[in-house]
Amino acid sequence: DVKVTQSSRYLVKRTGEKVFLECVQDMDHENMFWYRQDPGLGLRLIYFSYDVKMKEKGDIPEGYSVSREKKERFSLILESASTNQTSMYLCASSLHSMSYEQYFGPGTRLTVT
Amino acid sequence: AQTVTQSQPEMSVQEAETVTLSCTYDTSENNYYLFWYKQPPSRQMILVIRQEAYKQQNATENRFSVNFQKAAKSFSLKISDSQLGDTAMYFCAFIRGGSNYKLTFGKGTLLTVNP
Repeated sequence: DVKVTQSSRYLVKRTGEKVFLECVQDMDHENMFWYRQDPGLGLRLIYFSYDVKMKEKGDIPEGYSVSREKKERFSLILESASTNQTSMYLCASSLHSMSYEQYFGPGTRLTVT
Repeated sequence: AQTVTQSQPEMSVQEAETVTLSCTYDTSENNYYLFWYKQPPSRQMILVIRQEAYKQQNATENRFSVNFQKAAKSFSLKISDSQLGDTAMYFCAFIRGGSNYKLTFGKGTLLTVNP
C-alpha cells in the first residue's frame, strides 16, 4: 500500500512565524501535491511537484512556498504565517504523469493565532 | 477551466438503505477521468472509485457504483446497503487526461448513515 505521512496532525503557530509542513511518501512517486481544505470550499491546490527540485503553482500559491530536495519528501513553507492560513493541509502523491490517482496523507490541521 | 459541482452539501441515509450522491462537471475535454474520494471524520482521504471517460461501462467497487452520463456531464455515486462506516465527506474530482496534474475537486457532500 502507498503510504503518505505528514509530520504533524495538529499544529499551533503564532502570526508571523515561519512554518514548515513536511510530507513523505514511500512508494517512489514522481508527483507530490499540497492542498488546502476549508469547509464549503473543498480542496484547493497550493503547489505541486513533478520531480525533484521542480515545482509549479496551483490555484492559491500566495503566501506559500515549497521545497523538494528528495523524491520522497515535499515541504510546504509558510514564510510568515497569518490567521487566514488557519486550515487543514493535505499532502498527496501520484505515481507519474499518466497515473491520475492521488494518494493522500492524514492531513495537518494548522491554527495560526 | 474545469469545474465540479456537488449540489448536496449534506445527506443522510438509514443503515442498509441505498443513497445516491450527485456530481456534475463542466469541461470541453474528451479525455478525462473522474473520481470519488471518501474522507471519514478525522481520517485519511481514500479513493473510492474511478471512471475513465472513454469507457461506457459504469465502474463498480463492491457496494459502490457510479452512474456516468457523459453527454449530461453527470457522475453520481450510488452506495448500496449503507453501513455506519460509510459516514464521511465524499468528494467528486476531475482530471484531464494527458500530462496534466491538476485534480479539480467539488466542495463535497457530507453523508451521515443513521443506525
